[in-house]
Amino acid sequence: NAGVTQTPKFRILKIGQSMTLQCAQDMNHNYMYWYRQDPGMGLKLIYYSVGAGITDKGEVPNGYNVSRSTTEDFPLRLELAAPSQTSVYFCASSHSTGFGDEQYFGPGTRLTVT
Amino acid sequence: GENVEQHPSTLSVQEGDSAVIKCTYSDSASNYFPWYKQELGKGPQLIIDIRSNVGEKKDQRIAVTLNKTAKHFSLHITETQPEDSAVYFCAASISGNYGQNFVFGPGTRLSVLP
Repeated sequence: NAGVTQTPKFRILKIGQSMTLQCAQDMNHNYMYWYRQDPGMGLKLIYYSVGAGITDKGEVPNGYNVSRSTTEDFPLRLELAAPSQTSVYFCASSHSTGFGDEQYFGPGTRLTVT
Repeated sequence: GENVEQHPSTLSVQEGDSAVIKCTYSDSASNYFPWYKQELGKGPQLIIDIRSNVGEKKDQRIAVTLNKTAKHFSLHITETQPEDSAVYFCAASISGNYGQNFVFGPGTRLSVLP
């Protein structure tokens, strides 16, 4: 199993550009998550999904969009990139949200908006 | 909403010594508290967790204690080794529209000096 994979690893965007961060998992997990990690801060939940076609906002959803058309993939779309979106983005997945149901994280995408 | 504080932000210990990281949370409804370890350039990985109906849990050199009344929980690492050097995050569960999500603390950078 590859686990959770993310592409790209690094990206530099100009202000106003758009891009999609890709996330895929091969563990047949129902739940998938997108977090951002700013320097010296914990992970902040952007969006999550409980299955194909079902998504919900997290703590910091503004400026982002998601879709979930398959169990495996959960892309994160940035429209009109802003410097405030400079961060490291982590995708995660879990079987469910029960006790002890571990979230498995991808290696992250480091995004810089200038 | 839930707020999770974590102390200290950085911690240096000599190899073989113990390390303790403390977290406090604000929402008395939180009932599940995982700890994640993040090595350089990687995504966080679950190392231990505790439910609110348990006061302490141990796994080899790692233990977690929970004081529900005071709303704080701690990670204890004994006989530290250089490979324990990493950033550690605590988290507290919150109820989302589709199950549990987490609020993460800002992290503690642990350095184990040989």
